Amino acid sequence: KNEVEQSPQNLTAQEGEFITINCSYSVGISALHWLQQHPGGGIVSLFMLSSGKKKHGRLIATINIQEKHSSLHITASHPRDSAVYICAVGRNTDKLIFGTGTRLQVFP
Amino acid sequence: KAGVTQTPRYLIKTRGQQVTLSCSPISGHRSVSWYQQTPGQGLQFLFEYFSETQRNKGNFPGRFSGRQFSNSRSEMNVSTLELGDSALYLCASSQGADTQYFGPGTRLTVL
Repeated sequence: KNEVEQSPQNLTAQEGEFITINCSYSVGISALHWLQQHPGGGIVSLFMLSSGKKKHGRLIATINIQEKHSSLHITASHPRDSAVYICAVGRNTDKLIFGTGTRLQVFP
Repeated sequence: KAGVTQTPRYLIKTRGQQVTLSCSPISGHRSVSWYQQTPGQGLQFLFEYFSETQRNKGNFPGRFSGRQFSNSRSEMNVSTLELGDSALYLCASSQGADTQYFGPGTRLTVL
């Protein structure tokens, strides 16, 4: 069993829909990261969080440390949100353990 | 501030050769981490350097090595290349245990 599990693996949505991507982990962590990777490979760090909730524009990330679970929400989705979203956990050092990613496609 | 830069962006090598990839972190960042991304294994941690010292290492064979210079620039080296080493190699920099900023990656193809 992977230490970091994401669901769903693939997700399609119509523009404007509310999207949720889930991440569960089985190890103790100091922080959880949400990353976005567009075709071509470039990775952007969206959030780093260790408790509670963070919001940036239309993106919201939450984490429940007791349940070892995090969610990434996208409100009013747009085709430019189409990308692979990756959850990664860090344990006190910069060694990240990655989930397998969720491929999101948003259609107009 | 300029972002993380990686050179070269694309590289083609043949089996048995060796390769050196370079990463320049964001100015002021002392931590540089390296990752390998393949379609089969996804993203995997290679190693992390902080102030010229390797602080952490992933589960990769000894053919994979790295170093960090006093200006925080880092290099990784892969010797005796195998077909399975074909991957996107990403480096990321941070100020410490902080948000990591990723470079654009070096796409290595081993023929």
